[in-house]
Amino acid sequence: AQSVAQPEDQVNVAEGNPLTVKCTYSVSGNPYLFWYVQYPNRGLQFLLKYITGDNLVKGSYGFEAEFNKSQTSFHLKKPSALVSDSALYFCAVRDMGHVSGTYKYIFGTGTRLKVLA
Amino acid sequence: DTEVTQTPKHLVMGMTNKKSLKCEQHMGHRAMYWYKQKAKKPPELMFVYSYEKLSINESVPSRFSPECPNSSLLNLHLHALQPEDSALYLCASSPFSGSNEQYFGPGTRLTVT
Repeated sequence: AQSVAQPEDQVNVAEGNPLTVKCTYSVSGNPYLFWYVQYPNRGLQFLLKYITGDNLVKGSYGFEAEFNKSQTSFHLKKPSALVSDSALYFCAVRDMGHVSGTYKYIFGTGTRLKVLA
Repeated sequence: DTEVTQTPKHLVMGMTNKKSLKCEQHMGHRAMYWYKQKAKKPPELMFVYSYEKLSINESVPSRFSPECPNSSLLNLHLHALQPEDSALYLCASSPFSGSNEQYFGPGTRLTVT
């Protein structure tokens, strides 16, 4: 089965500084990787995805992620953090369901990002 | 309309009650999902519907009963729940099963007393 790991429960960064939220993956075959953000008491919002192509993926709100096959990583980055970026971030991978042709998404444990003013 | 709506926003129910959660999308998506999320934890998949048919049931207890009456609507019927079932229940949709991103609703905060 596919899986993703987020090694940091929380990341603190000063406003204006670059931020990185880490994700590593374990997949058989080509990975389908995603980042989502969740604000308090809200659903998840899609940020970006890697399916194939360029290793640097650009997404919403100025976020980007770098796919690194040799390190099996898919870290989320932003050049300059905003206080409003403070939220819970989930990395996810697409996995097969038990029945052929069905799919599901496996989420990492989440990383709380705190941007300090 | 790129929105997934869920009602109610909050629900408090006793262990003997029967209630239902509702999810709706009008994006023409043919895959819909129910997730359960405990505080500070990732969403856990419960059910997947593809073209109005149940395609994945992640061994969810029978006190949770999903229903997909049409391609825009997804219900989750609740009966005889336990306090440990208290959580945020999230609905999501995607153009089809396995497509590249999911659109999530805001969730229903369920408390079982």
